[in-house]
Amino acid sequence: QQQVKQSPQSLIVQKGGISIINCAYENTAFDYFPWYQQFPGKGPALLIAIRPDVSEKKEGRFTISFNKSAKQFSLHIMDSQPGDSATYFCAARGRNTGRRALTFGSGTRLQVQP
Amino acid sequence: KAGVTQTPRYLIKTRGQQVTLSCSPISGHRSVSWYQQTPGQGLQFLFEYFSETQRNKGNFPGRFSGRQFSNSRSEMNVSTLELGDSALYLCASSLVSGPVNTEAFFGQGTRLTVV
Repeated sequence: QQQVKQSPQSLIVQKGGISIINCAYENTAFDYFPWYQQFPGKGPALLIAIRPDVSEKKEGRFTISFNKSAKQFSLHIMDSQPGDSATYFCAARGRNTGRRALTFGSGTRLQVQP
Repeated sequence: KAGVTQTPRYLIKTRGQQVTLSCSPISGHRSVSWYQQTPGQGLQFLFEYFSETQRNKGNFPGRFSGRQFSNSRSEMNVSTLELGDSALYLCASSLVSGPVNTEAFFGQGTRLTVV
């Protein structure tokens, strides 16, 4: 059962444009939603994370928007740069001890063209 | 501050063999989780250790096992390797394991190829 659905699978954006990646979750026990960036040959690196008590969080060019009622959250990359070209994963984790594993989306391969 | 260190980086094994992967978490982090990453299944949770105890386990067969030592370093073992076990195995460390969600930091992974 895929508990976190991520779209699109791939995305091509021009330099300076806005990249938007969307995720939807099913499990209402999730209460922590991080985004990871992964370059080829590297492990995922934490970009930004949000908890459901806020609707938006911004760190530099990266913003998470969170819609608790719709069970959806998205990553916006403003002023996208070629160096942002990577695979992005959304994830979710529950509060309960038995549900503390990160559940990942399927990933979005972002290509920012110069 | 050193990050999460995984060794070895690359490994080639033959079907039927066993393999042990190692993970040293960030200094001070006591929770270590393991994930398997494949093109087909994506990132999947294997297990989590805290204070030398397995706290959570994913849906993997018993051939996959792990342990954590008193210094928080962790190892995972895969016995009777199958071709489908070829994957990038990732270790993530967190400060704590409990009701408070803390950030998980990943190592670079061990690329296991089973031939």
